[in-house]
Amino acid sequence: RKEVEQDPGPFNVPEGATVAFNCTYSNSASQSFFWYRQDCRKEPKLLMSVYSSGNEDGRFTAQLNRASQYISLLIRDSKLSDSATYLCVVKTDGTASKLTFGTGTRLQVTL
Amino acid sequence: EPEVTQTPSHQVTQMGQEVILRCVPISNHLYFYWYRQILGQKVEFLVSFYNNEISEKSEIFDDQFSVERPDGSNFTLKIRSTKLEDSAMYFCASRTDLNEKLFFGSGTQLSVL
Repeated sequence: RKEVEQDPGPFNVPEGATVAFNCTYSNSASQSFFWYRQDCRKEPKLLMSVYSSGNEDGRFTAQLNRASQYISLLIRDSKLSDSATYLCVVKTDGTASKLTFGTGTRLQVTL
Repeated sequence: EPEVTQTPSHQVTQMGQEVILRCVPISNHLYFYWYRQILGQKVEFLVSFYNNEISEKSEIFDDQFSVERPDGSNFTLKIRSTKLEDSAMYFCASRTDLNEKLFFGSGTQLSVL
């Protein structure tokens, strides 16, 4: 089983649509969870951290279900500029607190 | 916002050659990382470095790889004898503390011919 699993997409949605991405992780010892955004051939950029209580940042809402080892990201009112790959990322505490990335879900927002 | 700087942005090399990828982490950061991303694949952890030594490394980080912090500012990744499969985007990253945000550099695209 992959450590972090995501539907690769692509998700093609019109501007203004609501789109949801899901992710599952296999390591129950994982402590911290994130969504990153990656534009083509660029570095990953932190979009938001994910908490069990759910958290919102503008049009973006993230949710964590520890029991199911499941993470979600909801984007409301999609903009053309939201077109990117969204990476589900898990951090496991330790000497390095390294990040484990999913393969990403590609979103294409169209007119 | 402070930046992690990587040079060069593109590196082309012949198979079997040594390459050194350079990074300047953010100045007050203490934890340093290299990640790589093969085209079309996920970002993968290579190695972490703290207090002048490797704190963790992945299976990818074999004897052909080494890291060094030769002075107070640079953090380098050396690949001794490059293989075709080393072709990837290499990202350097740094943070002040294990619980703090990880800052990524813009990457070095390595092409091994």
